[in-house]
Amino acid sequence: TQLLEQSPQFLSIQEGENLTVYCNSSSVFSSLQWYRQEPGEGPVLLVTVVTGGEVKKLKRLTFQFGDARKDSSLHITAAQTGDTGLYLCAALGAGSYQLTFGKGTKLSVIP
Amino acid sequence: DTAVSQTPKYLVTQMGNDKSIKCEQNLGHDTMYWYKQDSKKFLKIMFSYNNKELIINETVPNRFSPKSPDKAHLNLHINSLELGDSAVYFCASSKLHEQFFGPGTRLTVL
Repeated sequence: TQLLEQSPQFLSIQEGENLTVYCNSSSVFSSLQWYRQEPGEGPVLLVTVVTGGEVKKLKRLTFQFGDARKDSSLHITAAQTGDTGLYLCAALGAGSYQLTFGKGTKLSVIP
Repeated sequence: DTAVSQTPKYLVTQMGNDKSIKCEQNLGHDTMYWYKQDSKKFLKIMFSYNNKELIINETVPNRFSPKSPDKAHLNLHINSLELGDSAVYFCASSKLHEQFFGPGTRLTVL
């Protein structure tokens, strides 16, 4: 079973601050995804990264896939209260369509 | 229009009962899934179902059984409910690698 370690588990910051969330593993993945989940709802896909070293930007969110395709980071610039939620990384192993999820980072952005 | 829908949204029942959760997707996807999210928000795959191929996570008790009447539906039936089954259950579907999740069913076993 592939394990994904996310850190930090909890993060509480002031509006306007920057933050980075990490997702690490000892396994190599064919692709890695980041989801955001709000209370009472299912996770929603933010991005998929496939190539080692890949960087993708989604407005104030920057996603990076490690060169060895074992880790990823999510950086949020100038956090807003609307960014509050549970951020989950998930990975697909080679030849599999089943996702393994990390335990999530619960982000609270305080006004 | 709802892409992945689940019913019921909330389910409260006694230990030992049998219950079902329904899931429907209108996205035309080939693969559907059931996940369990525990109180610590850990999301764990239970089943995936693709073209009549069922892949079961080996940690899932055989009291849980998915049933797919057609490609758009994957229902979850649970026999002899236990206290530890209390969790939020999510259905999802995918065509390639992007998964679309339903709103979840919060199951509480008393």
